[in-house]
Amino acid sequence: EAGVAQSPRYKIIEKRQSVAFWCNPISGHATLYWYQQILGQGPKLLIQFQNNGVVDDSQLPKDRFSAERLKGVDSTLKIQPAKLEDSAVYLCASSLVGFLAGGLYNEQFFGPGTRLTVL
Amino acid sequence: TQLLEQSPQFLSIQEGENLTVYCNSSSVFSSLQWYRQEPGEGPVLLVTVVTGGEVKKLKRLTFQFGDARKDSSLHITAAQPGDTGLYLCAGGGATNKLIFGTGTLLAVQP
Repeated sequence: EAGVAQSPRYKIIEKRQSVAFWCNPISGHATLYWYQQILGQGPKLLIQFQNNGVVDDSQLPKDRFSAERLKGVDSTLKIQPAKLEDSAVYLCASSLVGFLAGGLYNEQFFGPGTRLTVL
Repeated sequence: TQLLEQSPQFLSIQEGENLTVYCNSSSVFSSLQWYRQEPGEGPVLLVTVVTGGEVKKLKRLTFQFGDARKDSSLHITAAQPGDTGLYLCAGGGATNKLIFGTGTLLAVQP
C-alpha cells in the first residue's frame, strides 16, 4: 500500500514570497491533516479535512495560510506572503476513521514532510 | 486548551541503558498514542492505549496509560542506537483529532 506522498521535500524562499505544498493521502482515507512542526517539537495541527470539507482550522493563520481539498483526495497548502517564522516542516497525514465513537481511535499515517526555509 | 507535556525534553544515553519518557496532561484523553520520528521522516505510530491503567509491551518497549487517562509513560529496556529519534505522545478525544506532546529527543550512543 502506497503511503502519504508530499512534494516538494525541500523549499527555500525569501520572506514575502508565496509557496505551495501538495499532499496525496492514502487511497480511501477520508480525513486529511496538515501540521506545522518546528525542529525538535511536536506537530501542531493547522487544518483538518473530512472528505472535502473543513472540520477544524482554528489554528490556521488565515491571513496568510490557505488550504483546499477540492475533490476530497489531494490537498494543497499555501502560504502567501511567507514570514521568517514560517520556517518549519509541514507534515500531511491521513486517517481512516471519520469520527470516533467510544473505544475507537484513529491512526494517522504521515508523509515525509516538506522542509520550508524562509530567508 | 489541551496540552501534553513530555519529559525529559532531551536524553542522551549509552547503548544498553534503560530509560523512561513521561507524557503528562491536566486533560483526560480517550486514547493515548506514541509515535517515533526519525530525521527527515514523518512520525510513525508505535502503540495506542485506550483503557486507564493499560500496559502494552512491544519487544523492548513498555507503554502505560495512567489510571485517570491523563498521563502515559514509555519505558525502553536495553536501548540500542536504532532507538534514536524523536518520541511523541499524542492524545485523542471525541473528535478525530490528535493533540501532540512537546516531544522527547533520544540519542543512543554505541
